Amino acid sequence: EAGVVQSPRYKIIEKKQPVAFWCNPISGHNTLYWYRQNLGQGPELLIRYENEEAVDDSQLPKDRFSAERLKGVDSTLKIQPAELGDSAVYLCASSSARGQRQETQYFGPGTRLLVL
Amino acid sequence: AQKITQTQPGMFVQEKEAVTLDCTYDTSDPSYGLFWYKQPSSGEMIFLIYQGSYDQQNATEGRYSLNFQKARKSANLVISASQLGDSAMYFCAMNPGTASKLTFGTGTRLQVTL
Repeated sequence: EAGVVQSPRYKIIEKKQPVAFWCNPISGHNTLYWYRQNLGQGPELLIRYENEEAVDDSQLPKDRFSAERLKGVDSTLKIQPAELGDSAVYLCASSSARGQRQETQYFGPGTRLLVL
Repeated sequence: AQKITQTQPGMFVQEKEAVTLDCTYDTSDPSYGLFWYKQPSSGEMIFLIYQGSYDQQNATEGRYSLNFQKARKSANLVISASQLGDSAMYFCAMNPGTASKLTFGTGTRLQVTL
């Protein structure tokens, strides 16, 4: 069974430019998460989807970040415009249980973003 | 609010030896889940082991075991018979009872030596 797929793996852009990350979750997983991991830190949740619905986006900086999961499968996270402080690893994860606290989240390889 | 504390920024262990990675947590929720993930240099977070707050026995998964001490709010990871491939960052995380939202610690970098 394929794991969580993310692309691109690496991205270098100049500040003020837009950037987008793509994630395809494990087949059958209805819950999808986007995390940001700053250097030397653990991941922090940006947004959680249950199927197409964003059920927790309280940590998403909405002035420049947006996300979508139109058909309840793959998802795109966008930053526009990017700032120097957005340099981080963006991780996508998925799980199969609907909002259950004991669900295990499975992560993709992440996208390493460098903003110059 | 939930908090995970990992006080060991780095650990060394010799191959074939056992090692314990510390994790303490803080939550007011009576029900929660505790997780350990491994992050090699490639960047992917690999799920290792899970412990529920109401589980009576400590979780085990192959060479991994979780030393769960609820009264002390600790959930230490024990890796037995360390291998060179175990060298990585290890993160402790908690999922509170009210929502599916992992809170991670800052991680411990484990280096396995010959």
